[in-house]
Amino acid sequence: DAKTTQPNSMESNEEEPVHLPCNHSTISGTDYIHWYRQLPSQGPEYVIHGLTSNVNNRMASLAIAEDRKSSTLILHRATLRDAAVYYCILRNYNQGGKLIFGQGTELSVKP
Amino acid sequence: DADVTQTPRNRITKTGKRIMLECSQTKGHDRMYWYRQDPGLGLRLIYYSFDVKDINKGEISDGYSVSRQAQAKFSLSLESAIPNQTALYFCATSDLGQGAPWDTGELFFGEGSRLTVL
Repeated sequence: DAKTTQPNSMESNEEEPVHLPCNHSTISGTDYIHWYRQLPSQGPEYVIHGLTSNVNNRMASLAIAEDRKSSTLILHRATLRDAAVYYCILRNYNQGGKLIFGQGTELSVKP
Repeated sequence: DADVTQTPRNRITKTGKRIMLECSQTKGHDRMYWYRQDPGLGLRLIYYSFDVKDINKGEISDGYSVSRQAQAKFSLSLESAIPNQTALYFCATSDLGQGAPWDTGELFFGEGSRLTVL
């Protein structure tokens, strides 16, 4: 399984944008880039996913490098509720489509 | 009501006991998964099932078994529980994605079952 590398932790101020980086240099052509987050005492929740092009949804934006070896999750205005562990995951249908989680980035948001 | 329901939410048991964790879903998804999470770590995949007749091992299947009784139900069993199986267990479901044929869509997780083996 292709691996991802994320910083262990990041800090942000409330109402400021947050850029969460992820490196995945061994990504294959059929790997989708998924982001999930886990709020304290909850199960993970889906944030966004993409293949090649940048993606936007109501929660966040996903910027994918042209060579696909890295990506960045962008929270446009962080709120206190965004404090969570964010997981960047490569997901490959040919490997059963299963999600293999790494350590993730723990994001803290200061008022 | 939650779309993905896990029972029990909390369980304390003793070494050697048989334990079953149950998961049911109302999302109509074919794909179901069991993960475990240890403190400070990410989730690790135990088993997954793409339909009622399909069962696949994940990263850490030793010591566990599963049963897919119906599309909506996926149970995880520990035949003889041991202390290092103390963890938080999550069930998840997914459907096909909307993109390329290999797009696997998002996973929906239950609230977790906390298991302590003494």
